[in-house]
Amino acid sequence: KNQVEQSPQSLIILEGKNCTLQCNYTVSPFSNLRWYKQDTGRGPVSLTIMTFSENTKSNGRYTATLDADTKQSSLHITASQLSDSASYICVVSDRGSTLGRLYFGRGTQLTVWP
Amino acid sequence: EADIYQTPRYLVIGTGKKITLECSQTMGHDKMYWYQQDPGMELHLIHYSYGVNSTEKGDLSSESTVSRIRTEHFPLTLESARPSHTSQYLCASSESKAALAKNIQYFGAGTRLSVL
Repeated sequence: KNQVEQSPQSLIILEGKNCTLQCNYTVSPFSNLRWYKQDTGRGPVSLTIMTFSENTKSNGRYTATLDADTKQSSLHITASQLSDSASYICVVSDRGSTLGRLYFGRGTQLTVWP
Repeated sequence: EADIYQTPRYLVIGTGKKITLECSQTMGHDKMYWYQQDPGMELHLIHYSYGVNSTEKGDLSSESTVSRIRTEHFPLTLESARPSHTSQYLCASSESKAALAKNIQYFGAGTRLSVL
């Protein structure tokens, strides 16, 4: 069964600190992996997207890594800001259909305190 | 900022009412999607469309229906709302050129529906 599991479920950190969010998946055949940021009451916004051949991708203070062999990904946030408080969702796409089926994790709820 | 809009943002209605959730995008995307999301849970695909006059059901069974008469418009309708329909509904769109665009989906802000 294709699944995407994220950890931790929730995380609280102080402003300025770094943190790392984890994503494990069993989706096959794998096409790409994305990280989305979803603010409360809003739709998800894409942060990074990585294909099989890419093992790291940065977007400002966000750095995503991908190990396609172990089917693991991480999202590292550097020097956190209050505006980073949101749910971070790991999404994996398969190659099995023209739709490019997406499998969503439940997200990690990050709270940044001043 | 993605040019995809959903209205209303919030809706509270009584059981048995007919409702339509609107979704429009100005990016010329062929593919459009509707997802349902409960608090703390993953998004579930309930409908999608490859283009005009194309609609398909997603993975999660839903009593809602959709239509795609125009490229930019993908409304979702519930003929008779029930409390079990209370949820957040997210609309998304993506380009058809998957190899070029990696099928990135752009999401609207969502409609939070409460059925009393």
